[in-house]
Amino acid sequence: GEDVEQSLFLSVREGDSSVINCTYTDSSSTYLYWYKQEPGAGLQLLTYIFSNMDMKQDQRLTVLLNKKDKHLSLRIADTQTGDSAIYFCAESPLTSGTYKYIFGTGTRLKVLA
Amino acid sequence: NAGVTQTPKFQVLKTGQSMTLQCAQDMNHNSMYWYRQDPGMGLRLIYYSASEGTTDKGEVPNGYNVSRLNKREFSLRLESAAPSQTSVYFCASNPGQGLSNQPQHFGDGTRLSIL
Repeated sequence: GEDVEQSLFLSVREGDSSVINCTYTDSSSTYLYWYKQEPGAGLQLLTYIFSNMDMKQDQRLTVLLNKKDKHLSLRIADTQTGDSAIYFCAESPLTSGTYKYIFGTGTRLKVLA
Repeated sequence: NAGVTQTPKFQVLKTGQSMTLQCAQDMNHNSMYWYRQDPGMGLRLIYYSASEGTTDKGEVPNGYNVSRLNKREFSLRLESAAPSQTSVYFCASNPGQGLSNQPQHFGDGTRLSIL
């Protein structure tokens, strides 16, 4: 079935690196996404990666994609208190000629000062 | 840059009352979506609209209706609210046609409580 799985919580100290993991199910997904949700706000697109890439780096963010294991990770370098939020992984599998957009349950990142 | 604007931000209803959640986007996007977010369940698609004048059911459409009034606006209506519809509702849009794989842009949500 279609499912995107993430761990629910992650706690790190300020200045450390955070790694948020996600597993997805459908290899037809062309794009895989990371969204950030701050308290009381909507989801903000952080970054996305094409399925033909293994890695994408954008300033403090590094996305790694392991297509064989259907595993996606988001690494945040030098994590700051402002990075505290919920992070959602999402895939967009092609099903019966149309795309679905499937979100994980979100990982709540807490950054300790 | 307004992006996707949702109103109201908060609402409390009694069981059986009706209300309409409003959403507008100023990015000239073709597709618009309504999701609900419940604890531990991620986002679930209620309805979507591929273009002005078209709407389709998503994963959890029961108890809701939608209207794509024009290219900018997509409203969600609860005809007879039930406690199970207590949730945070998000509107989103993207430039694609229908359920595309392009990144979605989200509003800040409407927090709805039904007593």
